Amino acid sequence: GQQLNQSPQSMFIQEGEDVSMNCTSSSIFNTWLWYKQDPGEGPVLLIALYKAGELTSNGRLTAQFGITRKDSFLNISASIPSDVGIYFCAGFQGAQKLVFGQGTRLTINP
Amino acid sequence: DTGVSQDPRHKITKRGQNVTFRCDPISEHNRLYWYRQTLGQGPEFLTYFQNEAQLEKSRLLSDRFSAERPKGSFSTLEIQRTEQGDSAMYLCASSGQANTGELFFGEGSRLTVL
Repeated sequence: GQQLNQSPQSMFIQEGEDVSMNCTSSSIFNTWLWYKQDPGEGPVLLIALYKAGELTSNGRLTAQFGITRKDSFLNISASIPSDVGIYFCAGFQGAQKLVFGQGTRLTINP
Repeated sequence: DTGVSQDPRHKITKRGQNVTFRCDPISEHNRLYWYRQTLGQGPEFLTYFQNEAQLEKSRLLSDRFSAERPKGSFSTLEIQRTEQGDSAMYLCASSGQANTGELFFGEGSRLTVL
């Protein structure tokens, strides 16, 4: 089946540092989405990208939809403690379901 | 709160018992999805409804699993004769008419099978 490969699998950073994570696929997607999940909770939508090459920001978060439509990255600037969690990329082809990556676990040292 | 609501949040059951989870989507959303998530993994698609019609089912959805959305509003996911491998977080999500791929998830129902 379709798989999205996220990297890195985990990150340990200092508060205030910038973070970068990415997601690649062997398949083309029409939409890329980034979600954050806290322990014991459901994923929360952060950013949605609809066009190849699109760069979108949401506060300290910036995400880009790759030109090939097979990849996306997410940057977080000036990290704060509440950024801790697991970040998932997800791809949508219009086939009625999202395909998720395996997640990047972000840990922040104060 | 007008988000996606799931009940119960936690369920512990013995192997072989039946369990049922309920999902109430965002009221104006006609699409409803069930996903399963195991520890350390991303959510995996189980099934999808548009209004009351179940339009797609994953191979992950064995014949012990059944999902319904009888009136096109809330949905139930039943697991019969539970097995230890069914232990997971069961997530419900909904989306609106535009079919943009933007799914809004509930807080999940965590199942532990002893």
